[in-house]
Amino acid sequence: AQSVTQLDSQVPVFEEAPVELRCNYSSSVSVYLFWYVQYPNQGLQLLLKYLSGSTLVKSINGFEAEFNKSQTSFHLRKPSVHISDTAEYFCAVSPTGTASKLTFGTGTRLQVML
Amino acid sequence: DTAVSQTPKYLVTQMGNDKSIKCEQNLGHDTMYWYKQDSKKFLKIMFSYNNKELIINETVPNRFSPKSPDKAHLNLHINSLELGDSAVYFCASSQDHRAYEQYFGPGTRLTVT
Repeated sequence: AQSVTQLDSQVPVFEEAPVELRCNYSSSVSVYLFWYVQYPNQGLQLLLKYLSGSTLVKSINGFEAEFNKSQTSFHLRKPSVHISDTAEYFCAVSPTGTASKLTFGTGTRLQVML
Repeated sequence: DTAVSQTPKYLVTQMGNDKSIKCEQNLGHDTMYWYKQDSKKFLKIMFSYNNKELIINETVPNRFSPKSPDKAHLNLHINSLELGDSAVYFCASSQDHRAYEQYFGPGTRLTVT
């Protein structure tokens, strides 16, 4: 079984400031890792994923996440946030080599302030 | 064009009623899912279908029955609704059961009174 921990339920940050959203996971098997974003009253959208290769993955809108196997973490970062980044961010894992089955964390609400 | 659509968007009903939520995807994907998001925003998978066959069935009450008439549709029927069923239900799809990128619908907010 897998579990995902997002310790910060809310992260307030001023516009143009950097941000880090933390994600730690627990699993007895290898996993793939994901960040999904949910804008108000919308469904989830895949932000970025780690399947293999470089442990640093980047999205088209400036977010990046680094897979750290020893610390079982996949923290999400952005060097300068914009008001439009205000949303709920979910970290998720899925075991490798089996049918896709996402296990989500409880989410982190990123609130960007002017 | 909406990739994954759900109807209705909002559903308010009384305890004991039976209701259905419909989901359709036009992405040509083989696999579809139902997730439940509770009031604390915790998302949990309920079911997964691959080519109309059930492949994941989490611990969900028997009152919940998914139906897949074809691989583009996955409907969720709920019998004898209870207060605890109030949640947002998301449908999702992926290219196949081993594809890890899932595309989510906009959600259906179910309120049981």
